[in-house]
Amino acid sequence: GAVVSQHPSWVICKSGTSVKIECRSLDFQATTMFWYRQFPKQSLMLMATSNEGSKATYEQGVEKDKFLINHASLTLSTLTVTSAHPEDSSFYICSASQGVWDGSSYNEQFFGPGTRLTVL
Amino acid sequence: GQNIDQPTEMTATEGAIVQINCTYQTSGFNGLFWYQQHAGEAPTFLSYNVLDGLEEKGRFSSFLSRSKGYSYLLLKELQMKDSASYLCAVMDSNYQLIWGAGTKLIIKP
Repeated sequence: GAVVSQHPSWVICKSGTSVKIECRSLDFQATTMFWYRQFPKQSLMLMATSNEGSKATYEQGVEKDKFLINHASLTLSTLTVTSAHPEDSSFYICSASQGVWDGSSYNEQFFGPGTRLTVL
Repeated sequence: GQNIDQPTEMTATEGAIVQINCTYQTSGFNGLFWYQQHAGEAPTFLSYNVLDGLEEKGRFSSFLSRSKGYSYLLLKELQMKDSASYLCAVMDSNYQLIWGAGTKLIIKP
């Protein structure tokens, strides 16, 4: 149980185009979804947290107009990288949990397999 | 600021034992996680410590000392498939995970 999928697993795009990454919880309802970015040999960096039906909470330094997050259902969240540039090339990982994240308790996060984005 | 330190890379021999250390300084503490991450894949959960002491789970054990801000992951009877990166992550006062950069473990025959 607790399987999270991501699509696509890898994508190559031209600079200036937009790319959408999907994150799905396959066998549970994901009230909260997290989006991370990981550069080579670096730690996972949390980009944003979204509770289903609410606007995402972005971490400091993450441009919300560039990284659009939609969490319209309990099984799907999407991350759209708008006007992608080579510096956006990275490994994007989503995770999902069943509980609401409100900064007062922890609910186990289940990670997706990641999406490798390369912007030419 | 918040900081998680762990060695960048370690090498060990198949069948041996290896200990991967992690030190942390965070705003609050609600537990420490160890994850395994193979190249190009998502992290998979290994262990969770919130109280001081050793937690054993098969070939893997994890230790925590909150007073020292220190943890280690102990891997016994190493197998080639254990070659991966091992990530230390601390849950801070807001229940957010703060991640270390990971330790790449290379297993040699």
